[in-house]
Amino acid sequence: KQEVTQIPAALSVPEGENLVLNCSFTDSAIYNLQWFRQDPGKGLTSLLLIQSSQREQTSGRLNASLDKSSGRSTLYIAASQPGDSATYLCAVRGSSNTGKLIFGQGTTLQVKP
Amino acid sequence: EAGVVQSPRYKIIEKKQPVAFWCNPISGHNTLYWYRQNLGQGPELLIRYENEEAVDDSQLPKDRFSAERLKGVDSTLKIQPAELGDSAVYLCASSHSGNTDTQYFGPGTRLTVL
Repeated sequence: KQEVTQIPAALSVPEGENLVLNCSFTDSAIYNLQWFRQDPGKGLTSLLLIQSSQREQTSGRLNASLDKSSGRSTLYIAASQPGDSATYLCAVRGSSNTGKLIFGQGTTLQVKP
Repeated sequence: EAGVVQSPRYKIIEKKQPVAFWCNPISGHNTLYWYRQNLGQGPELLIRYENEEAVDDSQLPKDRFSAERLKGVDSTLKIQPAELGDSAVYLCASSHSGNTDTQYFGPGTRLTVL
């Protein structure tokens, strides 16, 4: 059974810092991995999607990497801003390609001005 | 383009009462998902529809939960009777197809059972 873990559960940094969020999964047979952002009281917004054949994806100040063999992904946020404060969730889709996403519990980020 | 619409946004009920949640997916999206998110946790899939057909309902507690997607568009998730442990945020998502497409999430319905 696939399990997804995110560490740390919460993180507080001063504005301008570069930071890394971690995601690990127990079964390396995945189809893809996604990073989502969730603001309080709102749904999830997809940030980056990495296919199993890819090593990383970039969007603006965000860079996500995938090491399938070790069961790890990182989300790198450069020059953090207060507007980046949110909960970040990673989710993996199994290789059976059923569409089912398995989510981690999330990392809640606070960027202080 | 309008996103996934859910209603109500908040619902407070007493235990043993019934409750229903409604979801309108993005136009043209064939696949619809219902997730439950407990406080401090990631969402967990309850049921997935491909058009009108429920293709994965293995995590749906069928003794008290039911769902339908008439005409392959809107969907309703029902709980009867509700229990204290059902307090959570219920998220609806949709995608163009069920395989590789990104899932787009609605804002969710926050259910509190007293």
